[in-house]
Amino acid sequence: QKEVEQNSGPLSVPEGAIASLNCTYSDRVSQSFFWYRQYSGKSPELIMSIYSNGDKEDGRFTAQLNKASQYVSLLIRDSQPSDSATYLCAVNSGGGGNKLTFGTGTQLKVEL
Amino acid sequence: DTEVTQTPKHLVMGMTNKKSLKCEQHMGHRAMYWYKQKAKKPPELMFVYSYEKLSINESVPSRFSPECPNSSLLNLHLHALQPEDSALYLCASSPLGTGIGGNQPQHFGDGTRLSIL
Repeated sequence: QKEVEQNSGPLSVPEGAIASLNCTYSDRVSQSFFWYRQYSGKSPELIMSIYSNGDKEDGRFTAQLNKASQYVSLLIRDSQPSDSATYLCAVNSGGGGNKLTFGTGTQLKVEL
Repeated sequence: DTEVTQTPKHLVMGMTNKKSLKCEQHMGHRAMYWYKQKAKKPPELMFVYSYEKLSINESVPSRFSPECPNSSLLNLHLHALQPEDSALYLCASSPLGTGIGGNQPQHFGDGTRLSIL
């Protein structure tokens, strides 16, 4: 059973702080890793893709991947109230079909 | 607004009705997906189409019938649904083949919120 685990939260951070969201996965052959943001009642929106070990930055977002530890994280700098949402970690283990396994999501609340 | 368009946005139907959900994308993606999402749960994969052919069926009950008429369109035909089928139904698309080091990301439509009476 391939699993992707996240803390469900809620994770509360003050406005302007760094939010750190974590995700672990069980399948060692996983190749592709994605972070999606989902506002309540809306569909998932792709924020970041990461494929190689290390950091990948895009604006206020940084994804970090450590395949040896089977760990992927998302840092949000200068958190804003509009960042309040559920963040879904998704892992693709390769092979045919481009099948994603989602974590249960972490609810982030950015407080004024 | 997303580049994957789903209609209708909301659907209420009785257990004996037949209805269809529609999904359209014009990004040239050759993989399309149906997901089901219940409240406070992650999306659950239902079907995957690759090059307009069904490549994955996650043991979905036959009351859900997918169809991919062409590379831009994906339908989900519904018949004799149960109340527990009430959920948000998401369509997604992606390029096929690998990106840098791995598979391409999937892009979701806004979803159809389905209620079964």
